Amino acid sequence: QKEVEQDPGPLSVPEGAIVSLNCTYSNSAFQYFMWYRQYSRKGPELLMYTYSSGNKEDGRFTAQVDKSSKYISLFIRDSQPSDSATYLCAMTVNRDDKIIFGKGTRLHILP
Amino acid sequence: SQTIHQWPATLVQPVGSPLSLECTVEGTSNPNLYWYRQAAGRGLQLLFYSVGIGQISSEVPQNLSASRPQDRQFILSSKKLLLSDSGFYLCAWDTYYQPQHFGDGTRLSIL
Repeated sequence: QKEVEQDPGPLSVPEGAIVSLNCTYSNSAFQYFMWYRQYSRKGPELLMYTYSSGNKEDGRFTAQVDKSSKYISLFIRDSQPSDSATYLCAMTVNRDDKIIFGKGTRLHILP
Repeated sequence: SQTIHQWPATLVQPVGSPLSLECTVEGTSNPNLYWYRQAAGRGLQLLFYSVGIGQISSEVPQNLSASRPQDRQFILSSKKLLLSDSGFYLCAWDTYYQPQHFGDGTRLSIL
């Protein structure tokens, strides 16, 4: 079983829709969870950083962590064509431990 | 605020030639520094990380090496490039209190 699993997509949704991106993981010790957005030919950009279970909201983005199910989600409201990118989830046990990345989900927002 | 610079953005090199990619971080002291390679469909592969000047840990035995001559400078090198060294190379930094941030990467093509 892979440590972090993420559907590669591509996921295509119409502009304005709510997008749900997800990752599952196997290591119950993970405590810190991140979402990165990566545009083509660019480095990943940190979007959300959360600790333990619960929700965190930042503008149109909401990160959700369900540690009991080992499942994390990123929701994008009012999606825009500029949200078209690859989204990577990432997680780690402690702040100074190695980060484990998902392989990313390609998202296309259709105008 | 912190910034990370990586150069060059694109590089085309012949097989057997040497390589030097440079990364510098501004706005923070004593960061942890990382080199990743990202291949299509294979996610981010951690190559090297450094917790301080002259301290390098290798994750994957290969044709590459890394050095950290100054606190905020990280260099990826090779004496003789192989075709399999082609890829997208990313530098990243973090600290105990700040999550990982990436540079914009170098796209390396070996001919």
